[in-house]
Amino acid sequence: GAGVSQTPSNKVTEKGKYVELRCDPISGHTALYWYRQSLGQGPEFLIYFQGTGAADDSGLPNDRFFAVRPEGSVSTLKIQRTERGDSAVYLCASSRSGLAVDTQYFGPGTRLTVL
Amino acid sequence: GNSVTQMEGPVTLSEEAFLTINCTYTATGYPSLFWYVQYPGEGLQLLLKATKADDKGSNKGFEATYRKETTSFHLEKGSVQVSDSAVYFCALSVTGTASKLTFGTGTRLQVTL
Repeated sequence: GAGVSQTPSNKVTEKGKYVELRCDPISGHTALYWYRQSLGQGPEFLIYFQGTGAADDSGLPNDRFFAVRPEGSVSTLKIQRTERGDSAVYLCASSRSGLAVDTQYFGPGTRLTVL
Repeated sequence: GNSVTQMEGPVTLSEEAFLTINCTYTATGYPSLFWYVQYPGEGLQLLLKATKADDKGSNKGFEATYRKETTSFHLEKGSVQVSDSAVYFCALSVTGTASKLTFGTGTRLQVTL
């Protein structure tokens, strides 16, 4: 596609439920990142994929968060037993090769609200 | 660790005024530096970047120079327009750290007629 796409754009769920957020990166980009942005803050890193493997998951806040990228393209961020503190905008970005000098292209985000 | 500090907003300017948004950083390693912009209702997009010391990034009339000696990457524009109203984020990434971006908290710019 022309850019990074994310679905859904908005997700409202109840505390304790399970949610999945999807990211479709720019075609051909091997690096994929997930970030989380709380109101009034800058995005915070969650996890980085190089191809199919999670090369760095040091930003995941706890074991309720998990992400996959089984075919090296689309990625899904999974959150179990959601909590109100998980409410935020979840951003996905991709870059050509994952080098520090590469530009990361961001999707529009999924706004998650946990009631 | 890596961190980015930006001047707090909001910054309110009249059209055609000069803009400076300060950004300083700390990094373990040699960073690449970025300014991202988030227009109302839109996603984050790259405004400019610089990947080595003394490089100047520029785009849409905005400029920022990578100053290693002062660990700074201040954003400037000589004459702002109403359409520049947005939130601006300074960020860095370091080779060997998964190239993840570390962002500042963002500075909201409001330009009025």
